[in-house]
Amino acid sequence: AQSVTQLDSQVPVFEEAPVELRCNYSSSVSVYLFWYVQYPNQGLQLLLKYLSGSTLVKGINGFEAEFNKSQTSFHLRKPSVHISDTAEYFCAVTIDQTGANNLFFGTGTRLTVIP
Amino acid sequence: GAVVSQHPSWVICKSGTSVKIECRSLDFQATTMFWYRQFPKQSLMLMATSNEGSKATYEQGVEKDKFLINHASLTLSTLTVTSAHPEDSSFYICSAHYGRATEAFFGQGTRLTVV
Repeated sequence: AQSVTQLDSQVPVFEEAPVELRCNYSSSVSVYLFWYVQYPNQGLQLLLKYLSGSTLVKGINGFEAEFNKSQTSFHLRKPSVHISDTAEYFCAVTIDQTGANNLFFGTGTRLTVIP
Repeated sequence: GAVVSQHPSWVICKSGTSVKIECRSLDFQATTMFWYRQFPKQSLMLMATSNEGSKATYEQGVEKDKFLINHASLTLSTLTVTSAHPEDSSFYICSAHYGRATEAFFGQGTRLTVV
């Protein structure tokens, strides 16, 4: 089975500073990776996904992530955060190429942007 | 495109009553819908997978008689929490998928509080 580890439960960062949210996964087969953002009392919105091809993936709201197979990581980065980026971020993995079935989520990282 | 609407966004009910939550795909036909449960400060846990016109597949540990799932059409799935108890209080999120998509699309979630 697959699993996802988000080591940082909370990440405070000052506005306009860069941020990296870490995600490591475990799987014996090839995986597809996702980052979702959740605003308070809302559902999940897809930030970006890695299915194949370039290991550097760019998403919405200026976020990007890099798939590193040797380190089994898919860290999320943004060079300059905004107050509106304050939210919960979830990394997810699946072996299903549709990106829908058997989606395993990490425990989430609460990003708090400090003015 | 690919919008999923979940209703209600929040509900408070008395212990022992039943609550129905609807998940609709507004602009696509969802061949598969998923129901997740999210406890405070925790990740999403898949409860069940439903395919249109067939019985839902429940994850281990999820009581199928308590969490009734109906997927009667390609645009609607419902989750009914029967004889709700305070421990059923949680955030319930649905997602929907269609054949050619490479991701699942999430609803806004429903905050259920049982008093």
